[in-house]
Amino acid sequence: QVQLVQSGAEVKKAGASVKVSCKASGYIFTGYYMHWVRQAPGQGLEWMGRINPQNGVTDFGPNFQGRVTMTRDTSIKTAYLEVNRLRPDDTGVYYCVTSDSSAYYYLGQGTLVTVSS
Amino acid sequence: EIALTQSPGTLSLSPGERATLSCRASESVMSNSVAWFQQKPGQPPRLLIYATSSRANGIPDRFSVSGSGTDFTLTISRLEPEDFAVYYCQQYGGSPGYSFGQGTRLEIK
Repeated sequence: QVQLVQSGAEVKKAGASVKVSCKASGYIFTGYYMHWVRQAPGQGLEWMGRINPQNGVTDFGPNFQGRVTMTRDTSIKTAYLEVNRLRPDDTGVYYCVTSDSSAYYYLGQGTLVTVSS
Repeated sequence: EIALTQSPGTLSLSPGERATLSCRASESVMSNSVAWFQQKPGQPPRLLIYATSSRANGIPDRFSVSGSGTDFTLTISRLEPEDFAVYYCQQYGGSPGYSFGQGTRLEIK
């Protein structure tokens, strides 16, 4: 079955960088986009962007151009989200999400990133 | 980018009642491109509906979706205590083309 397992919680200071990983299993990793979604405390879901694991091409949501990088390592079926120059309002839970050819969505368990000033 | 607006922001109902949640898109969305998620406090979102009207694994048939184009409705025919949560609609289409509604909180009256 499809599983997405994310790395553990992170605590960072403003200005630092964070890199979150998402290890996939149970499907062909290069066959489907990997998306990243952010949820700030008490807020809704916000689509950050996606990466095509086959060729590494990325698309970003309008609020995430510039400080966000998405990469992948196909040899270990893992996608990565890196956020640079962290700000306190980057605090939140980050989810990796994939969907299959039927548009059925699978989510990771989420990674809490806390940014202090 | 297509914006999704959900209404109402909060819906207060009692178990056994019928719930109707709305999701309106700023422009017509692609066929079979809407999903709905349920989220309870401290938990990741859970897929309820995909490809506009298909129930995800384990989702009971009291959950249904209708609509097309710009207007979609999630209906819960008879509320159970475990249905009280926040519900998000999502659309995908175009490039990059993904967006979420702001959510509807379904609370016990």
